[in-house]
Amino acid sequence: DAGVIQSPRHEVTEMGQEVTLRCKPISGHDYLFWYRQTMMRGLELLIYFNNNVPIDDSGMPEDRFSAKMPNASFSTLKIQPSEPRDSAVYFCASSGPPRNTGELFFGEGSRLTVL
Amino acid sequence: GENVEQHPSTLSVQEGDSAVIKCTYSDSASNYFPWYKQELGKGPQLIIDIRSNVGEKKDQRIAVTLNKTAKHFSLHITETQPEDSAVYFCAASSRGQNFVFGPGTRLSVLP
Repeated sequence: DAGVIQSPRHEVTEMGQEVTLRCKPISGHDYLFWYRQTMMRGLELLIYFNNNVPIDDSGMPEDRFSAKMPNASFSTLKIQPSEPRDSAVYFCASSGPPRNTGELFFGEGSRLTVL
Repeated sequence: GENVEQHPSTLSVQEGDSAVIKCTYSDSASNYFPWYKQELGKGPQLIIDIRSNVGEKKDQRIAVTLNKTAKHFSLHITETQPEDSAVYFCAASSRGQNFVFGPGTRLSVLP
């Protein structure tokens, strides 16, 4: 398997623009997570899904953030409108069968810069 | 909720020496404690983990110890090599899928 695939790897946008980050989890995994990483706050869990259903979105900072998982192989994280303080690296991770150990498999991240 | 602290924030060691990173957690219900290594420009990767029914676990040059009474756990790396240079994160979980990560330790192994 190619691992968790995220796109884009880098995004530079202007304040007020809509940003959409994409994630393809490892095939067969039934959990998908979105994390945000900044120097100040470290790794923060934004939201996670189980079998495509959002389970905990308490980490989503504001209504400007939304996440969807329309099927088992695709998820999006959308920020609308974007603000400079949203600049961060956003990671998608998945976990699940066959090992079911709880290990998180992270993608390489999407680095977002909002000017 | 769970709170995980991690020390030190940066650590420099000479190649061949040992490195120790310590974490504390607050939720006594936490029962799973993984360690992740993050190299520059990449996502974190699991290197070792321990569950609450075990006090110590080893995998070649790395080991993790857990003291549930004191609510702390540590990562030990022996015979460090330059490729061990990275940021290391500890984490704690009490509900299976909801991990709380520590702030990270930047380890530099000097040749």
